[in-house]
Amino acid sequence: AQSVTQPDIHITVSEGASLELRCNYSYGATPYLFWYVQSPGQGLQLLLKYFSGDTLVQGIKGFEAEFKRSQSSFNLRKPSVHWSDAAEYFCAVVWMDSSYKLIFGSGTRLLVRP
Amino acid sequence: ETGVTQTPRHLVMGMTNKKSLKCEQHLGHNAMYWYKQSAKKPLELMFVYNFKEQTENNSVPSRFSPECPNSSHLFLHLHTLQPEDSALYLCASSSAETQYFGPGTRLLVL
Repeated sequence: AQSVTQPDIHITVSEGASLELRCNYSYGATPYLFWYVQSPGQGLQLLLKYFSGDTLVQGIKGFEAEFKRSQSSFNLRKPSVHWSDAAEYFCAVVWMDSSYKLIFGSGTRLLVRP
Repeated sequence: ETGVTQTPRHLVMGMTNKKSLKCEQHLGHNAMYWYKQSAKKPLELMFVYNFKEQTENNSVPSRFSPECPNSSHLFLHLHTLQPEDSALYLCASSSAETQYFGPGTRLLVL
């Protein structure tokens, strides 16, 4: 079955530290890959997406993600976290044979220590 | 962002009330979606509309009734809801594989 796994429910980092949020997906074919961020009580904002080409993609707010086919992973990174990055982060995938149905991971809540 | 708007942002209703949630997209997209986000549960896709036609209904109870009069507007009509229907209801739109979300309506059913 198609699935997306975010193994970390919570992550706490200090402000200024680097960040990596993990995402793995099942299924053989390469999907379209997305990262969304959700601040408390808000909707989901698209951070970045990967369809093809360069496996390192840049997004908004200084985030980047790297697609690794061999590991079925699409991890999100940021070199220096700001307090305003505290939010919940969702990895999501679309498989072309699913009529663009978006499959979400369960989310990772990021807490930032001052 | 004003690409996808939702009203109201907050709603409190009793179990016997009838209310509607509204979503409007200004992005020229052809597909619109309703999602439910409950505490400690993953996002649940409820309905999908493509060119005003419903293409997906994920076994949603009939007390939720969607309406898509045109490609820019999507409604979710609510009646005789249960307390467990309290959640954040998110609308999204897309023209292909990338979905853009509205800010959501926080619904509380008493």
